[in-house]
Amino acid sequence: GAGVSQSPSNKVTEKGKDVELRCDPISGHTALYWYRQSLGQGLEFLIYFQGNSAPDKSGLPSDRFSAERTGGSVSTLTIQRTQQEDSAVYLCASSARTGGLSGELFFGEGSRLTVL
Amino acid sequence: QQQVKQSPQSLIVQKGGISIINCAYENTAFDYFPWYQQFPGKGPALLIAIRPDVSEKKEGRFTISFNKSAKQFSLHIMDSQPGDSATYFCAVLNYGGSQGNLIFGKGTKLSVKP
Repeated sequence: GAGVSQSPSNKVTEKGKDVELRCDPISGHTALYWYRQSLGQGLEFLIYFQGNSAPDKSGLPSDRFSAERTGGSVSTLTIQRTQQEDSAVYLCASSARTGGLSGELFFGEGSRLTVL
Repeated sequence: QQQVKQSPQSLIVQKGGISIINCAYENTAFDYFPWYQQFPGKGPALLIAIRPDVSEKKEGRFTISFNKSAKQFSLHIMDSQPGDSATYFCAVLNYGGSQGNLIFGKGTKLSVKP
């Protein structure tokens, strides 16, 4: 497809388990972002990849969160030892460049994570 | 510290009315101000954006008003329709800065009543 693809769309896990969320950006987009959306909390920035540069990890809430981007394309967000407060929708976005000439980020539909 | 403050949190408007959502920011280095629209179960999508060299930008029924001195910008939806019911997010970016991510407000849930 032409858009940003995320999987799984829904994930239910038990507290303490590890989860992996996948993002397939729009082909050719060099910038990739992960945001977290919790009820009433807006869109919280997690991590940002731009080309071959070191990622900006300044938004990761704890060392249980990590992300990688392989071959400048697909990205995986990993949450280790999940906690109930990790329950949220995790959104991935891509852009043609940093912010884009228009600043347009293209978002996927998100992965809804529920930690029991 | 919240870098962009959005209000109101929720808004109910009658069909045909004007919806107004406001955002305020602190950092004068921000130089790009987009609004994103999100429908339930979908990711946000760019609606309209403005750079600080203009005070207003209009696209159809949607207008951004920008007040640089007050460090505020707002979204106006004219002739609001039930199909406009969605959550709206303002955002800021320092386009020329080293931080490449958009910083979003907490969102406004708009309901347009028929």
